[in-house]
Amino acid sequence: DAGVTQSPTHLIKTRGQQVTLRCSPKSGHDTVSWYQQALGQGPQFIFQYYEEEERQRGNFPDRFSGHQFPNYSSELNVNALLLGDSALYLCASSLDNEQFFGPGTRLTVL
Amino acid sequence: GEDVEQSLFLSVREGDSSVINCTYTDSSSTYLYWYKQEPGAGLQLLTYIFSNMDMKQDQRLTVLLNKKDKHLSLRIADTQTGDSAIYFCAESPSGTYKYIFGTGTRLKVLA
Repeated sequence: DAGVTQSPTHLIKTRGQQVTLRCSPKSGHDTVSWYQQALGQGPQFIFQYYEEEERQRGNFPDRFSGHQFPNYSSELNVNALLLGDSALYLCASSLDNEQFFGPGTRLTVL
Repeated sequence: GEDVEQSLFLSVREGDSSVINCTYTDSSSTYLYWYKQEPGAGLQLLTYIFSNMDMKQDQRLTVLLNKKDKHLSLRIADTQTGDSAIYFCAESPSGTYKYIFGTGTRLKVLA
């Protein structure tokens, strides 16, 4: 079992650009959540996808959007990047009450 | 409000027990979790406890829950250098799908 995988590992963008991050859930998991972890902080919930729909959203602006595909994999899109979007972006997949996290994508905005 | 609090640092000697504490805010939280994060890595689920339990033991890990005080603790017995990491507690409020994480406790194990 490969567990949760994310790509790319690292990414460098400039302000105003757009970025897409990808996540493949653990085998058998149908739900994907995305979190943003700023340096020295705990993860902050962005949103969760289930059955290809956004089921719940945290306190993030509309610049953050996502998608879930029929195979349960997911993308996180961020438009009009700001310096403050620099963070580790974590994907978690779940079935029932346990969320398992991937290794994250480190996004640096210059 | 949503605010899970943890102390920032803990230092212990190898072989001693470590106790990491957490206070959470939402009494409706059904499950409470402990995650471990090593440098440059994602979060590893260590254990979790259902809100109707007071204690859960899993090998070297013991979780204690005081619902009245909204206090959660993680005890690591016989702490090893490989236990050095950041530990996060998280709550999952009833009726939501999100986890709310604390700011993490950095555990340093001295040889």
